[in-house]
Amino acid sequence: DIQMTQSPSTLSASVGDRVTITCRASQSISSWLAWYQQKPGKAPNLLIYKASFLESGVPSRFSGSGSGTEFTLTISSLQPDDFATYYCQQYKSYSVTFGQGTKLEVK
Amino acid sequence: EGQLVESGGGLVQPGGSLRLSCSASGFIFSTFAMHWVRQAPGKGLEYVSAIGINGENTNYADSVKGRFIISRDNSKDTLYLQMSSLRPEDTAVYYCVKDKGRVFDIWGQGAMVTVSS
Repeated sequence: DIQMTQSPSTLSASVGDRVTITCRASQSISSWLAWYQQKPGKAPNLLIYKASFLESGVPSRFSGSGSGTEFTLTISSLQPDDFATYYCQQYKSYSVTFGQGTKLEVK
Repeated sequence: EGQLVESGGGLVQPGGSLRLSCSASGFIFSTFAMHWVRQAPGKGLEYVSAIGINGENTNYADSVKGRFIISRDNSKDTLYLQMSSLRPEDTAVYYCVKDKGRVFDIWGQGAMVTVSS
């Protein structure tokens, strides 16, 4: 299986900050990467697919980049609603795998 | 906007069986692959299983292979997960999810499965 590693595991930030979360794959996955946001007690929500394509309805302050083995999710100006846990997911292989998650918390 | 609603979760003893159902609405169920993803308490997301549009192609995580069976009834817009030989490590919230090219654009609210004596 392709292993996905996110960093950091926890990120403390303030409203208005620009934040970046990194996801690394154990082998090249081209651009077959998605990002999800999950709030406590809720199902995850798709933010970005194919590394950089914004899902419909997702605010433009979210962006994704990268290819191969290294990817980033950037929130340009953090809003109160953005404090949550974020997961990356590779889908190069049919058995998709997720990163362990990055919890974005209030500083 | 599509919707998925899981049912059938609950408490089961180790070695027992349980069947989850997922009712779909708001999209043409029969034209999309479907998946199950789970999340153990306080843990991350784990892919469980996938099924193609006709139900003929299925895929399972190694952790559930041989114990879980995914199926679908397109006439009822319903996805199923038959779970047997359940283990304590299968305790999780099980999400039914709609495929968008192997990313997941619609999620159910989740069904809690607890395996404990």
